[in-house]
Amino acid sequence: KQEVTQIPAALSVPEGENLVLNCSFTDSAIYNLQWFRQDPGKGLTSLLLIQSSQREQTSGRLNASLDKSSGRSTLYIAASQPGDSATYLCAGKGFQKLVFGTGTRLLVSP
Amino acid sequence: EPEVTQTPSHQVTQMGQEVILRCVPISNHLYFYWYRQILGQKVEFLVSFYNNEISEKSEIFDDQFSVERPDGSNFTLKIRSTKLEDSAMYFCASSEVQGHTEAFFGQGTRLTVV
Repeated sequence: KQEVTQIPAALSVPEGENLVLNCSFTDSAIYNLQWFRQDPGKGLTSLLLIQSSQREQTSGRLNASLDKSSGRSTLYIAASQPGDSATYLCAGKGFQKLVFGTGTRLLVSP
Repeated sequence: EPEVTQTPSHQVTQMGQEVILRCVPISNHLYFYWYRQILGQKVEFLVSFYNNEISEKSEIFDDQFSVERPDGSNFTLKIRSTKLEDSAMYFCASSEVQGHTEAFFGQGTRLTVV
């Protein structure tokens, strides 16, 4: 059974810092791994999707990496801004369903 | 850009009442899903649906839940007799096929059972 864990659970940084969010999964037989952003009380915004055959994906200030063999993914956020404050979720996709982690709550202070 | 649409955005219902949550998946997608997120907890898979059948369901998806594709565009989740613990955000998602394709999520319906 797939288990997805995210550390840290919460992170507070000053504006401008580069930061790394970690995601680990127990079953390496994933088809892809997706990173989402969730604002309080809101829906899921997809940030990046990494296919199982890929090592990384980039979108603007975001870079996500995937190491299937070690069961890890990281989300790197460069030059963080207060608008980046949100909860970040990773999810590993099996053949049908996504299994989500508990998220990292990020606060970027001005 | 195509998107998954969910209605209503927020629904309040009395315990024991039936509710229907509605979703319009992306038009060329074939696989449809419901997930839920109880406040402060993980997003959990409920059910997947393909070719007018449930293809996988979780332990949460018991007899009080049902899904239906009543026409060519809508996908619904029915909760027959709501309980307080059904209060959660319910997300609909769709994908073109299974496996490697991306799942696209709607903005969710917040269900509050009182």
